[in-house]
Amino acid sequence: SQKIEQNSEALNIQEGKTATLTCNYTNYSPAYLQWYRQDPGRGPVFLLLIRENEKEKRKERLKVTFDTTLKQSLFHITASQPADSATYLCALYNFNKFYFGSGTKLNVKP
Amino acid sequence: GAVVSQHPSRVICKSGTSVKIECRSLDFQATTMFWYRQFPKQSLMLMATSNEGSKATYEQGVEKDKFLINHASLTLSTLTVTSAHPEDSSFYICSAEGATGNTGELFFGEGSRLTVL
Repeated sequence: SQKIEQNSEALNIQEGKTATLTCNYTNYSPAYLQWYRQDPGRGPVFLLLIRENEKEKRKERLKVTFDTTLKQSLFHITASQPADSATYLCALYNFNKFYFGSGTKLNVKP
Repeated sequence: GAVVSQHPSRVICKSGTSVKIECRSLDFQATTMFWYRQFPKQSLMLMATSNEGSKATYEQGVEKDKFLINHASLTLSTLTVTSAHPEDSSFYICSAEGATGNTGELFFGEGSRLTVL
């Protein structure tokens, strides 16, 4: 069966540290993978997209890697801030549809 | 960036009534919109793909007669929950793919929290 797995446990880190979130998938062949941020009671907001032929993508303090052999993406936030606290979702684009993981809640403590 | 507006943001209704949720792309045309539902602390579950001018494509297990989708124009898609029951209570979110080039970015509405009493 198809699965998109993100760590369901919250990630608690200290301000200034690097947060690393993981997204693993099985039985998908995504053309690209995306990361979204979702705050409570709000719709997700797009952060980054990485295509299957790209290994790494950066945007300001954000970095995403994509390993199609391992079927895994890592999402990094460097110099984390309390304002980065939110739930982060990975999404796969597969056959003209987007499928989401369950998200990982990040708590950045001051 | 592109804006997707969803209305209403919250609705409370009695069991057996129907509820309509609107999703509008404000500054771009969206030939395709997606409808998701989300339970607390769970992921977005794709319900259906809404295509302008044609019938929606529903995901397996989603009742098309229960969740009516209409995409009458390039800027408006509606989801009607018919004969709603308490188990339909959820957070419904629409999204549209950006029309400016093939960015692959999804723009989401703010979501509609439905509570069926």
